[in-house]
Amino acid sequence: EVQLVQSGAEVKKPGESLKISCRGSGHSFTAYWIVWVRQMPGKGLEWMGIIYPDDSDTRYSPSFQGQVTISADKSISTAYLQWDSLKASDTAMYFCARRVSSGFYYFDSWGQGTLVTVSS
Amino acid sequence: EIVLTQSPDTLSLSPGERATLSCRASQSVSRSFLAWYQQKPGQAPRVLIYGASRRATGIPDRFSGSGSGTDFTLTIDRLEPDDFAVYYCQQYDRSPRYSFGQGTKLEI
Repeated sequence: EVQLVQSGAEVKKPGESLKISCRGSGHSFTAYWIVWVRQMPGKGLEWMGIIYPDDSDTRYSPSFQGQVTISADKSISTAYLQWDSLKASDTAMYFCARRVSSGFYYFDSWGQGTLVTVSS
Repeated sequence: EIVLTQSPDTLSLSPGERATLSCRASQSVSRSFLAWYQQKPGQAPRVLIYGASRRATGIPDRFSGSGSGTDFTLTIDRLEPDDFAVYYCQQYDRSPRYSFGQGTKLEI
């Protein structure tokens, strides 16, 4: 069974750094792109960026370029999303998901989400 | 950047009825790159339809997708209580970029 398991909820202060994770199992982690999606409280889904764990090729949404860093460690089948300096507006649920690449580009398996709360 | 606009924002229906949800793109989208998701409160999204009209594994045939170009539709026949949720369309273009519609809330 394909699974993406995300790290637990975080409570941080503005200006702090953070790195959350997404660990894959049940499939060849290096064969699929992994996407990160933000969902602010009560709002819709926003694509942040996507990484190919095999070679760490990464593409960012223009809205998030320079705001976050996406990385991966294929040796442990894990993708990461990190911030150097959090803002209150980063408070959101963050999902990782696997992108299918069979000629149809959609996200077929999702992590359970990581809630990030940034508050002073 | 392709913007997806869903309508209506909220759809109020009763179990047993048919739901018709619309997704309009600001530019033409390949059918291969249009998907629909369902999200329930406190849960991750779940893919329903990919390739504009192909049902994902385990999705009942009450759910169907159609459309091409800039206009796509998700239809849910014979609504069941478990269907009341928020629905999102999503597209991919070769920039490469992805985008989601703002969502349609299907409520009882």
